Amino acid sequence: QFVLAQPPSVSGAPGQRVTISCTGSTSNIGGGYDVHWYQQLPGMAPKLLIYETKFRPSGVPDRFSGSKSGTLASLAITGLQAQDEAIYYCQSYDSSLKVVFGTGTKVTVL
Amino acid sequence: QLQLQEAGPGLVKPSQTLSLTCSVSGGSISSENYYWSWIRQSPERGLEWIAYIYNTGATYYNPSLKSRVVMSVDTSKEEFSLKLSSVTAADTALYYCARVRMAYYYVDIWGRGTTVTVS
Repeated sequence: QFVLAQPPSVSGAPGQRVTISCTGSTSNIGGGYDVHWYQQLPGMAPKLLIYETKFRPSGVPDRFSGSKSGTLASLAITGLQAQDEAIYYCQSYDSSLKVVFGTGTKVTVL
Repeated sequence: QLQLQEAGPGLVKPSQTLSLTCSVSGGSISSENYYWSWIRQSPERGLEWIAYIYNTGATYYNPSLKSRVVMSVDTSKEEFSLKLSSVTAADTALYYCARVRMAYYYVDIWGRGTTVTVS
């Protein structure tokens, strides 16, 4: 079952800013657990993009940023580029279900 | 740089047991602060966490799969394994092995994945 809800798709023109929401509940995001984000390019394994809600691993551009408020987490991409076309997943920990993933959002660069 | 590589049969018959192994290279499976995990992906279920294990052998299973899953670790071989019993077509998926940061539960390293078809 999907515990974390994401919009199926978002789109933007090159250079624009897009945001992806991740809606959870009080047993996961709202319960104080960190949110993490992954980028999955076609035919590839997911890649860690944001960890512990707002930190970027080495090599991830600062165009990517994460935040959280209550039961809602967000990933923002500024200065959208063609290579950002991918599916993005949020992930957290749920007190009853352990590790949980979001439904995934496809980002399209117009 | 630590790398993970999945191995196992790509085709499993219904009701049989799916068995996969993940080899760890470029690092140690005995590292503190990390769990070793299996995650699968399918169009129907999206990304689904299956289980994770610590180098001591302590295991944590997804409650929805717990009755059919067994994970094990062999630190001498630097590998960990997954067994999923009584498989059905619903278990057809791309299976990833992964390294999970303890306490924060994020995956910092993924294997390339291996496709398993139940038919």
